[in-house]
Amino acid sequence: DTGVSQDPRHKITKRGQNVTFRCDPISEHNRLYWYRQTLGQGPEFLTYFQNEAQLEKSRLLSDRFSAERPKGSFSTLEIQRTEQGDSAMYLCASRASGADTDTQYFGPGTRLTVL
Amino acid sequence: EDQVTQSPEALRLQEGESSSLNCSYTVSGLRGLFWYRQDPGKGPEFLFTLYSAGEEKEKERLKATLTKKESFLHITAPKPEDSATYLCAVRGGSNYKLTFGKGTLLTVNP
Repeated sequence: DTGVSQDPRHKITKRGQNVTFRCDPISEHNRLYWYRQTLGQGPEFLTYFQNEAQLEKSRLLSDRFSAERPKGSFSTLEIQRTEQGDSAMYLCASRASGADTDTQYFGPGTRLTVL
Repeated sequence: EDQVTQSPEALRLQEGESSSLNCSYTVSGLRGLFWYRQDPGKGPEFLFTLYSAGEEKEKERLKATLTKKESFLHITAPKPEDSATYLCAVRGGSNYKLTFGKGTLLTVNP
C-alpha cells in the first residue's frame, strides 16, 4: 500500500508534555497538509508544505505547535507543553502537483489524548 | 472566508431507501468541491472531486452533482456498509487548504 501513513496512531500524554507526530506522504507528492479534527467537526487546516517550504499556517497553529518537512519528504508536527484542548485527531494529507491534481489524500490520523 | 454547511447532520435510512445529502457553500473562485467518506476513528477517504456547475460523477451507489451554490451526494439503494460520515469540502481562490463542513452521519439499517 502506498497511501499516506502516520505514526503513532494513538498517543496518550499528560498535560505539559511534548509530543511529536510523523507523516509519510504518498511517494512523489510534493504537497503536504496537516489538519486537526475534533469530535463532531470536520477537519480544520493547520499548515501546508510545498516540498520543504512551509507556505501557510493557520491562526489555529499557536506558538506551541511547530511543523517541519526536511528534504521535502516526511513531515513532523510537534506540540510543546500540551493542554487538554489539544486532544483531537491530527490528520495528514498529501497531493501531487499539476493542474488536474487538486485532490488531497488523507492518512489514518493520530489520535491524541491529553490527560 | 470560505464556508461549507452540510445537511442534515444525521440521516437514518432503511436498506434500499434512496436519499440525498446536501452541501451548501460560499467561496471566492471555486477551485474544487470534494466529497470524502469517513469511518469512525479513521481518516477521510476520497470519493469525488467536482470543478464546475453541472458536473456529475458516479461511483457504485453514489452520485455527486454540483451547482453554483451547492452539491448533492445521491445515494441509491444504500446498504449497511454505506454507513459512515460523509464530508464535503471546498478549495477556493488562492487558498491551498480545504474548508470542510461538519459532515452528515449516515446510518443504513438492514
